[in-house]
Amino acid sequence: RKEVEQDPGPFNVPEGATVAFNCTYSNSASQSFFWYRQDCRKEPKLLMSVYSSGNEDGRFTAQLNRASQYISLLIRDSKLSDSATYLCVVNMINQFYFGTGTSLTVIP
Amino acid sequence: GAGVSQSPSNKVTEKGKDVELRCDPISGHTALYWYRQSLGQGLEFLIYFQGNSAPDKSGLPSDRFSAERTGGSVSTLTIQRTQQEDSAVYLCASSLLRSEGYTFGSGTRLTVV
Repeated sequence: RKEVEQDPGPFNVPEGATVAFNCTYSNSASQSFFWYRQDCRKEPKLLMSVYSSGNEDGRFTAQLNRASQYISLLIRDSKLSDSATYLCVVNMINQFYFGTGTSLTVIP
Repeated sequence: GAGVSQSPSNKVTEKGKDVELRCDPISGHTALYWYRQSLGQGLEFLIYFQGNSAPDKSGLPSDRFSAERTGGSVSTLTIQRTQQEDSAVYLCASSLLRSEGYTFGSGTRLTVV
């Protein structure tokens, strides 16, 4: 089993829609969790950290479920500029593990 | 510097030649990672440096790949006798604290012809 697994998508949603991605991780001792965004032919950039209590940044909400070992990212009121690949990242034993990414395309 | 700097940004090399890729992490960041990403694929972990500890080389795909980090700062990834399957974007990232995630450089796009 991979350390971090994501549904690769692609997700194609209309502008204004709400979309959610999930990511599961294998090691219950994982310590830190993040969502990164990667645009085509660009490097990944940190979108937001994921805290145990859940956290929100504008239209983006991240949640952590330790019991079920998954993290989620919710995007409300999708914009065309949200089109990208979203990578979940989990820190386990001093190493960062990436999911393979979920592709999102927001359609006008 | 303000961010992670990688050079060169693009490198075209002939099959069989050696190449060196450089990464300048954010000043003070103790952890440094190398990844590679082939077109349309996910990130593949290569090697991890943390402070003065022995590096985690478990991701290096073959003995043609090596990396060093001098003085706990700049890192060089060396690929000997390059093959066409080595063509990819090589990304370097650095971090200070596990809780903060890490910052990527813009990568070196390597093309082996």
